Amino acid sequence: EVQLLESGGGLVQPGESLRLSCAASGFSFSTSAMSWVRQAPGRGLEWVASISALHGDTSSADSVGDRFTISRDKSLGILYLQMDYLRAEDTAVYYCTKGGPHRDWFDPWGQGTLVIVSS
Amino acid sequence: QSALTQPASVSGSPGQSITISCTGTGSDVGNYNLVSWYQQHPGKAPKVIIYEVNERPSGVSRRFSASKSGNTASLTISGLQPEDEATYYCCSYAGRVKWMFGGGTDLTVL
Repeated sequence: EVQLLESGGGLVQPGESLRLSCAASGFSFSTSAMSWVRQAPGRGLEWVASISALHGDTSSADSVGDRFTISRDKSLGILYLQMDYLRAEDTAVYYCTKGGPHRDWFDPWGQGTLVIVSS
Repeated sequence: QSALTQPASVSGSPGQSITISCTGTGSDVGNYNLVSWYQQHPGKAPKVIIYEVNERPSGVSRRFSASKSGNTASLTISGLQPEDEATYYCCSYAGRVKWMFGGGTDLTVL
């Protein structure tokens, strides 16, 4: 069974950092493009960042720029999202999902992890 | 970049058909056959129902179909059922290794 399990969310203050993790199983993680998509409370979906399957090329939304960094550990089957200089507008449920470069749809999705940025 | 434009809400009675539009620009929807659609029930993660404009993943009902014309993609749900009540999002590749979602459309089955 394909499974994506996010962790690492929580309450942080503006300007602080947080690292999200996503444990993947049930498919070939090392040959899959992966992405993070977020959803602010009561709002729509927003693509955040992607990492390519083979070479690990990364891309991110203009809204997060270089504050957020996506990475992966192929040996452990874990996807990461390092979030620095967090802002209130980064408050959202963050979903890990399979998809990105050369596989331009997102499926499956994890259950999401909630990040709240507030003082 | 702004989100793709979707109607905020649509409704239909059981058995009827509805169509949800998704309007982008020549830089995203109009330039790539890489539009996907997602269904999200309250409190749940999204689920892909259409990819690459009109391809249906295994296990998705044939009642879901989609198309694209110019800068506008469309999702049609035929034979509406109560369980179709959800929020639907379109998504398009937008170039420069970026993707863009629509604002979402709430479907009410009357």
